[in-house]
Amino acid sequence: QVTLKESGPGILQPSQTLSLTCTFSGFSLSTYGMGVGWIRQPSGKGLEWLANIWWDDDKYYNPSLKNRLTISKDTSTSQAFFKISTVDTTDTATYYCARISRDVMDAWGQGASVTVSS
Amino acid sequence: IQLTQSPSLLSASVGDRVTLSCEGSQNINNYLAWYQQKLGEAPKLLIFNTNSLQTGIPSRFSGSGSGTDYTLTISSLQPEDVATYFCYQYNNGWTFGGGTKLELK
Repeated sequence: QVTLKESGPGILQPSQTLSLTCTFSGFSLSTYGMGVGWIRQPSGKGLEWLANIWWDDDKYYNPSLKNRLTISKDTSTSQAFFKISTVDTTDTATYYCARISRDVMDAWGQGASVTVSS
Repeated sequence: IQLTQSPSLLSASVGDRVTLSCEGSQNINNYLAWYQQKLGEAPKLLIFNTNSLQTGIPSRFSGSGSGTDYTLTISSLQPEDVATYFCYQYNNGWTFGGGTKLELK
């Protein structure tokens, strides 16, 4: 059974760096073709793809946010990591991680709520 | 690639055949998936590669399309299908459509 769970700070202040961890089980990020993606969703709005990391450590970022985003992984602990630098109130959202298999996000975490507020 | 979903809100009755549309700004080459998101829950994968049904998804859900135009069909709407549906392309980068909210009439 594939499971993923996001963890993060909950609340942070403008200009800080948001750090999120995705802890997963049921698959390995060292397996050929596997990946983990990060997606966010402001309350009541649509989904925004943010970044993907692949089994071979290849990384892709949303071009509109690329300069602020960092994605990484630790296959030994079955975790993926995501950072957004210099946050502001527009980064307030629920952040999801998802497994990528056969190029699609086929299993999602429950989401981590993040609020940016002074 | 930009994805435009229509309609943004759809009201239908139990038992109705429902069709949701997703149009890409460029050819998607069938690398199109559909997700269902119920209130307060994470999205769930329904369909991938245009018309492949994800394991465990009821057969009343089906997908079709080609090029820039894709469709999700629910053959007989059930109360538990009330949700927002998002299309997603992975042909050129990765993008989601804006969603179609499906409610009961």
